[in-house]
Amino acid sequence: RKEVEQDPGPFNVPEGATVAFNCTYSNSASQSFFWYRQDCRKEPKLLMSVYSSGNEDGRFTAQLNRASQYISLLIRDSKLSDSATYLCVVNMNAGNNRKLIWGLGTSLAVNP
Amino acid sequence: DTEVTQTPKHLVMGMTNKKSLKCEQHMGHRAMYWYKQKAKKPPELMFVYSYEKLSINESVPSRFSPECPNSSLLNLHLHALQPEDSALYLCASSQVYGTERGEKLFFGSGTQLSVL
Repeated sequence: RKEVEQDPGPFNVPEGATVAFNCTYSNSASQSFFWYRQDCRKEPKLLMSVYSSGNEDGRFTAQLNRASQYISLLIRDSKLSDSATYLCVVNMNAGNNRKLIWGLGTSLAVNP
Repeated sequence: DTEVTQTPKHLVMGMTNKKSLKCEQHMGHRAMYWYKQKAKKPPELMFVYSYEKLSINESVPSRFSPECPNSSLLNLHLHALQPEDSALYLCASSQVYGTERGEKLFFGSGTQLSVL
């Protein structure tokens, strides 16, 4: 099993739709979680940290389910500008270090 | 606008050339990173500097040589690269490195490198 897994998509949704992505992780001792957004040929940008109690930022909601070892990202009222790849990142213990493990990303296309 | 600045934005080099990538941040961050990203793949960590000392080298070939002259600057020296080294090279910074809560990374816009 991969350390961090995401459905690569692509997810094609119409403007205004609600879309949700999941990301599963294998290490139950993982301590922190992030969603990054990456536009084509651009750098990744931090979208949200994911907190145990769940958190919301405008149209975006992130949830953590420790029992089932996944995090989710919900986007409401999708905009054309939401089209991007969404990368899940998990902070894991790796020996004496901690390491950020990146998922392969989920591609979202919002269509007019 | 990104607060991590990378130059150059594009670079084409031959296999015998020597070139350097540069990165600068003025956020007072004490950790800086080099990542390599191939198309349709996630970023792949190469090096981490923490308080200007090399903390992580992810078994990167010696043809890539990082340098951290001070807390704001990070360089990546390139020599005798191979065509398969063509990729987007991303610099990132974070407040510190190695915390329990993980690091929020701020990326530069990257250098698109082509090795001929």
